[in-house]
Amino acid sequence: ETGVTQSPTHLIKTRGQQVTLRCSSQSGHNTVSWYQQALGQGPQFIFQYYREEENGRGNFPPRFSGLQFPNYSSELNVNALELDDSALYLCASSFYPDRRSNGYTFGSGTRLTVV
Amino acid sequence: AQSVTQPDIHITVSEGASLELRCNYSYGATPYLFWYVQSPGQGLQLLLKYFSGDTLVQGIKGFEAEFKRSQSSFNLRKPSVHWSDAAEYFCAVGSDNNDMRFGAGTRLTVKP
Repeated sequence: ETGVTQSPTHLIKTRGQQVTLRCSSQSGHNTVSWYQQALGQGPQFIFQYYREEENGRGNFPPRFSGLQFPNYSSELNVNALELDDSALYLCASSFYPDRRSNGYTFGSGTRLTVV
Repeated sequence: AQSVTQPDIHITVSEGASLELRCNYSYGATPYLFWYVQSPGQGLQLLLKYFSGDTLVQGIKGFEAEFKRSQSSFNLRKPSVHWSDAAEYFCAVGSDNNDMRFGAGTRLTVKP
């Protein structure tokens, strides 16, 4: 059973640029969620994808967007990067409809630094 | 709205001592509750979860947690802490918006 893998592990971007982060879900999982974790804080929910559609969204602006592919992998896209977007971005997968009872499996994250 | 409070930002315990990390939640119905651990620069690892049944749940690495509805609490415990337990611990509640709400975390330092 493979876990959740994320790429890249680290990334440095300039303010105003666009970035794409990638996530491969755990084998057998069909739902992918993305979280932003700023330094010293708990993870904040960005959105979730199920059946290739957004299935819940947190309090993040539209410049945060995503995709889910038929193999359940996912991308997080952030446009017009701001300095405050610097954070650890975590991807988590789960199996619908048991996600709330079974919890989520997290990847190791992508550390994004915006300069 | 669902929320989680972890009152202790940082806790220091001696190796071999017992540990209790506090978590209080806000949720209208029966909550889905989780404890995760995060080592520096790493993702989150699930320690244990609760959603029904026995209110004392056992997890990995010798951790346990007790759900107390009357106190809206889900405290994490370990009888004897090891140096390798030093990490950040997050309590989370499953919400209605298909997400989990996390607390701000408690950083555990273990003294030799």
